[in-house]
Amino acid sequence: SQQGEEDPQALSIQEGENATMNCSYKTSINNLQWYRQNSGRGLVHLILIRSNEREKHSGRLRVTLDTSKKSSSLLITASRAADTASYFCATVNSGNTPLVFGKGTRLSVIA
Amino acid sequence: EPEVTQTPSHQVTQMGQEVILRCVPISNHLYFYWYRQILGQKVEFLVSFYNNEISEKSEIFDDQFSVERPDGSNFTLKIRSTKLEDSAMYFCASTRSRGQTGANVLTFGAGSRLTVL
Repeated sequence: SQQGEEDPQALSIQEGENATMNCSYKTSINNLQWYRQNSGRGLVHLILIRSNEREKHSGRLRVTLDTSKKSSSLLITASRAADTASYFCATVNSGNTPLVFGKGTRLSVIA
Repeated sequence: EPEVTQTPSHQVTQMGQEVILRCVPISNHLYFYWYRQILGQKVEFLVSFYNNEISEKSEIFDDQFSVERPDGSNFTLKIRSTKLEDSAMYFCASTRSRGQTGANVLTFGAGSRLTVL
């Protein structure tokens, strides 16, 4: 089954730096989404990119999608301590089955 | 802002006991989901529910699991006879739209932590 796999598993940066997380998946998709999870809490939707889009922006977030490489990246610019969380990519395939999540990237932003 | 609410936030149970986890999805949402996350692991799909029936389920969702929408607001997950490996965080989620034009953007609850001893 298709599966988003994030890379790196963990990332630690200084406040103000940019954070880049990558996601790879296996099968064709309808869209790809990024979610954030604060420790012990539910997931919160951040941004969605459709299969016919290559880049999207939302505030300090930038998402790219390369369907030929079956990969996506999430860039958080000018990171803040409050960005500390786990970030998951999730895919919806062309058959519109439920979201399939990867293992996540644990981001730590040090003030 | 509308929320998905889940109860209990934490439940401790003995192996073999039945557990019911409750969820109140967002009122105008039509599709409902249960996911689980074993500590430190990925978020795994269990089951989706639409129009009062299961629409998809994963291999994890075996005969020990069942879901129900007993009234117009609640959506429950029942584990009939819990096992140690059922210990996890269980997340309920809902969305209003799916289909080819729908995005399947999910709104998640805060989760119910289940500990099986």
